[in-house]
Amino acid sequence: DQQVKQNSPSLSVQEGRISILNCDYTNSMFDYFLWYKKYPAEGPTFLISISSIKDKNEDGRFTVFLNKSAKHLSLHIVPSQPGDSAVYFCAASGSTSGTYKYIFGTGTRLKVLA
Amino acid sequence: DSGVTQTPKHLITATGQRVTLRCSPRSGDLSVYWYQQSLDQGLQFLIQYYNGEERAKGNILERFSAQQFPDLHSELNLSSLELGDSALYFCASSVAQFIYNEQFFGPGTRLTVL
Repeated sequence: DQQVKQNSPSLSVQEGRISILNCDYTNSMFDYFLWYKKYPAEGPTFLISISSIKDKNEDGRFTVFLNKSAKHLSLHIVPSQPGDSAVYFCAASGSTSGTYKYIFGTGTRLKVLA
Repeated sequence: DSGVTQTPKHLITATGQRVTLRCSPRSGDLSVYWYQQSLDQGLQFLIQYYNGEERAKGNILERFSAQQFPDLHSELNLSSLELGDSALYFCASSVAQFIYNEQFFGPGTRLTVL
């Protein structure tokens, strides 16, 4: 039961253009969503998060959009840079009746072409 | 460098054995999280400790256990190891107790079970 899905395993974008990474979830209990970036042989790095009471959060070149009705979030990177080439994970967290869930997607590998 | 340290970096052992992975959080961080990343899998949240107490539990097997000591370092114990336990194990830390707070990840311990 994959409650958090990243349906695109990979994405290639030209330097300077926009990268859009997508994530879908199935459980309405999730109330926080996060994006992490991971380089090979390193631990993930937190990028940006969004609460379910918002529909947009922006931090520099990174913007996360949340569409609760569609249970969909996306990460926009503008402009894309070669150093952004990494694997991006979305994650969703929430609790219900004392049970906590924190679930990651399987990741999307972004390649930014110079 | 995130400030989170994990030892050992690599571990090779046999099925049926028991191993202990160690994590030292960033100075001042009270929460420690453990994650597993198997081949071709996304990150799986295992367990969180906050100031010595278990705070949240994810998909942690009963053969696995963890604890956080008074000096805030944490250990993840894996017993009766199986081939499928071969994975990268990450530790992360954060200042606060909520899982959606920014987490800082260590470089990981690669466990190989033969």
